[in-house]
Amino acid sequence: AQSVTQPDIHITVSEGASLELRCNYSYGATPYLFWYVQSPGQGLQLLLKYFSGDTLVQGIKGFEAEFKRSQSSFNLRKPSVHWSDAAEYFCAVVYNTNAGKSTFGDGTTLTVKP
Amino acid sequence: EAGVAQSPRYKIIEKRQSVAFWCNPISGHATLYWYQQILGQGPKLLIQFQNNGVVDDSQLPKDRFSAERLKGVDSTLKIQPAKLEDSAVYLCASSRGGAKTNEQFFGPGTRLTVL
Repeated sequence: AQSVTQPDIHITVSEGASLELRCNYSYGATPYLFWYVQSPGQGLQLLLKYFSGDTLVQGIKGFEAEFKRSQSSFNLRKPSVHWSDAAEYFCAVVYNTNAGKSTFGDGTTLTVKP
Repeated sequence: EAGVAQSPRYKIIEKRQSVAFWCNPISGHATLYWYQQILGQGPKLLIQFQNNGVVDDSQLPKDRFSAERLKGVDSTLKIQPAKLEDSAVYLCASSRGGAKTNEQFFGPGTRLTVL
């Protein structure tokens, strides 16, 4: 069965520091990969997505992610974190072999220190 | 454009009671999803509709959960009877068409507490 692993449950970074959130997916057919952000009491908002082509994708709010097939990873990065980035981040995968069912990781909570 | 609407935002019930959640997707979105998000976990897909037909309900506990999307627009998710382990946030999402690459737009969710 397809699965998504986010190894870091909680990450704390200082404002202005760089950020990398890890995401690994189980090997399978062509994956479609997504990163979502969820602020307290809010629904999920799409940050970026990867389907094919350039393995480095740019998203909203200054985020980017790199798809590495050899490592089955799709890590999210941001060069300089802002206090407003504090939230929970979810990685999700959809495989081409099913009807578009999304599988989400369990999330990484980001805390930003002033 | 208006986002995905859900109601109620919060609900507290006792076990063995029944509860229903309502979702109004973004206008024109053919695909509608219901997710269950237990505290500390990612969203888990319960059911996916394409227009008013069910595409995937493999993870829906059909002995107690039911969902419908009459006329291919609004949807309701019902739990009857509720158990303690049903305490979670229930998220509704919608997307254009049925392509796997379509972005899902999420509502704010309904937080259910079962006592």
